[in-house]
Amino acid sequence: AQSVTQLDSHVSVSEGTPVLLRCNYSSSYSPSLFWYVQHPNKGLQLLLKYTSAATLVKGINGFEAEFKKSETSFHLTKPSAHMSDAAEYFCVVSGLNNAGNMLTFGGGTRLMVKP
Amino acid sequence: NAGVTQTPKFQVLKTGQSMTLQCAQDMNHEYMSWYRQDPGMGLRLIHYSVGAGITDQGEVPNGYNVSRSTTEDFPLRLLSAAPSQTSVYFCASSPPPLVGGGSYNEQFFGPGTRLTVL
Repeated sequence: AQSVTQLDSHVSVSEGTPVLLRCNYSSSYSPSLFWYVQHPNKGLQLLLKYTSAATLVKGINGFEAEFKKSETSFHLTKPSAHMSDAAEYFCVVSGLNNAGNMLTFGGGTRLMVKP
Repeated sequence: NAGVTQTPKFQVLKTGQSMTLQCAQDMNHEYMSWYRQDPGMGLRLIHYSVGAGITDQGEVPNGYNVSRSTTEDFPLRLLSAAPSQTSVYFCASSPPPLVGGGSYNEQFFGPGTRLTVL
């Protein structure tokens, strides 16, 4: 079985300050891990993914995440927040269940960016 | 290339009514999935399919049926709508996992269907 825990349901930062969204996972397999972003009333967009290559993964819009197996973590960071980053972010683990490509989602973290 | 499309975008049903949410993809992906999104719970898998003619249950399948007669289409049927099925529904598609396992492709999501059951 696999699970994902996003440690903060809401994060508030000021524009221009760093962003840290925390994610811990558990998986019986060598997992693939993803971060998706969802802007209000929109679908989900892939930010970045980890698939057992480099442990530091760079994504779109200046985001990056580091896979730490010893800590079972995959935290998302950005050096400087922009107003357009305000959205909900989902940490996702992917693994096989029977014959399927199964995604397990965290509960989401809503990022608010103050001017 | 339209990606993953879903219809309708919004729907209001009365308790006990049935309906079908449509999902189509034009990327020739073998894998397709249906999720529901509820506040604070992320997305939960309802049903998935690994190819035409093959479907299986996800985490929350009760009250929903699916079929996969073609690679492109993966409709989700609500048999008798209940207020607990009020949610936002997302369809997704992806290629199968890479050869050798251990590495999985991203899923591409449709824009969602917002369903309210009164």
